[in-house]
Amino acid sequence: DAGVTQSPTHLIKTRGQQVTLRCSPKSGHDTVSWYQQALGQGPQFIFQYYEEEERQRGNFPDRFSGHQFPNYSSELNVNALLLGDSALYLCASSLDGLMDNEQFFGPGTRLTVL
Amino acid sequence: AQSVTQLDSHVSVSEGTPVLLRCNYSSSYSPSLFWYVQHPNKGLQLLLKYTSAATLVKGINGFEAEFKKSETSFHLTKPSAHMSDAAEYFCVVIPRGGFKTIFGAGTRLFVKA
Repeated sequence: DAGVTQSPTHLIKTRGQQVTLRCSPKSGHDTVSWYQQALGQGPQFIFQYYEEEERQRGNFPDRFSGHQFPNYSSELNVNALLLGDSALYLCASSLDGLMDNEQFFGPGTRLTVL
Repeated sequence: AQSVTQLDSHVSVSEGTPVLLRCNYSSSYSPSLFWYVQHPNKGLQLLLKYTSAATLVKGINGFEAEFKKSETSFHLTKPSAHMSDAAEYFCVVIPRGGFKTIFGAGTRLFVKA
């Protein structure tokens, strides 16, 4: 049983560019959440997708957008990249409706903005 | 507003001695609480979770945590540290019925031989 997978593993972009990160959830999971983890900090919640809709959003600007596909996989898009967007981007999947909200995390995509 | 405070950014222990990583939370509703571990260049791994059942929660690798509502704490403990426990530990809260996951800033655990 494959866990959560993310692609690519590393990415280098320049300021002003756009980037798309991808996530495939754990088998049987229907909910995907995205996080940004800056160096030396805890992950920050970006947003969560369920039934192809953004269900909740953290304190991130509209430059951050996402999508969930019918097979539950998800994309994170970041427009107009800033140096401060350099971080590890984590995807987590879970099964909606469970009381414990346990999330399973992927290995992350390391984004460097030059 | 919900928040999580990990009281120590770094903790250093000797191998074989007890580990205590402290976490306090603030949540309007009875939350779900978690501890995750992150080893260098590896993904986040769930250690244990509290979801309103027993207040003393046992996790993997000998870790456990006690939910104390009166103190709004969820401290992580282990009786005897092992070198392989050296990692970053995150306390996490999800408000009951909510979807926004809140991570603490993390505690780096160092284990000395």
